[in-house]
Amino acid sequence: GNSVTQMEGPVTLSEEAFLTINCTYTATGYPSLFWYVQYPGEGLQLLLKATKADDKGSNKGFEATYRKETTSFHLEKGSVQVSDSAVYFCALGRAGGTSYGKLTFGQGTILTVHP
Amino acid sequence: DGGITQSPKYLFRKEGQNVTLSCEQNLNHDAMYWYRQDPGQGLRLIYYSQIVNDFQKGDIAEGYSVSREKKESFPLTVTSAQKNPTAFYLCASSTRQGTNQPQHFGDGTRLSIL
Repeated sequence: GNSVTQMEGPVTLSEEAFLTINCTYTATGYPSLFWYVQYPGEGLQLLLKATKADDKGSNKGFEATYRKETTSFHLEKGSVQVSDSAVYFCALGRAGGTSYGKLTFGQGTILTVHP
Repeated sequence: DGGITQSPKYLFRKEGQNVTLSCEQNLNHDAMYWYRQDPGQGLRLIYYSQIVNDFQKGDIAEGYSVSREKKESFPLTVTSAQKNPTAFYLCASSTRQGTNQPQHFGDGTRLSIL
């Protein structure tokens, strides 16, 4: 079945540091890939997405490239801010049949950025 | 502004009691979803509905029930059969058009046992 594996957290960085959060997946077919962000006490917000191999999703300085050869979708940001502190979820859109729209989530990675 | 509204924000359940969590959306989305979030476990799908008057079990449906009588509304009932209901519950919605459509989330309901 489909699955998503994220790097273990929590991740603690200083402001302006480089961020990488690893995400790998297992899926049949050609799923879409997403990164969501959750701030304390809130729901999830879509951060970026990619729908086919070699697509790069980007938003608010964050980027992720859909790598089919390595089944990965790692999240990166060149210079993090304190306001980026949140939980980040990698998700996979299930492909085919009547499963469209359903997502499989990774376990989430807590990011804390210190001034 | 369009969005998803979940209520209440906090809910307490007594032993043997059923409680209902509300989810309303004005995004004109056909599909709606309920997730349970526990620390360190990500989100797990409870139920989903792709059209009015139809819904399907997700990965952890036992002890929960739903209805979808209106496109805008997808309430979740946590029954007394759910022995470990303490969690953060998230409702989401999306269009039905393909797998590349993101889900939009509400701000969640935190359920605790008294």
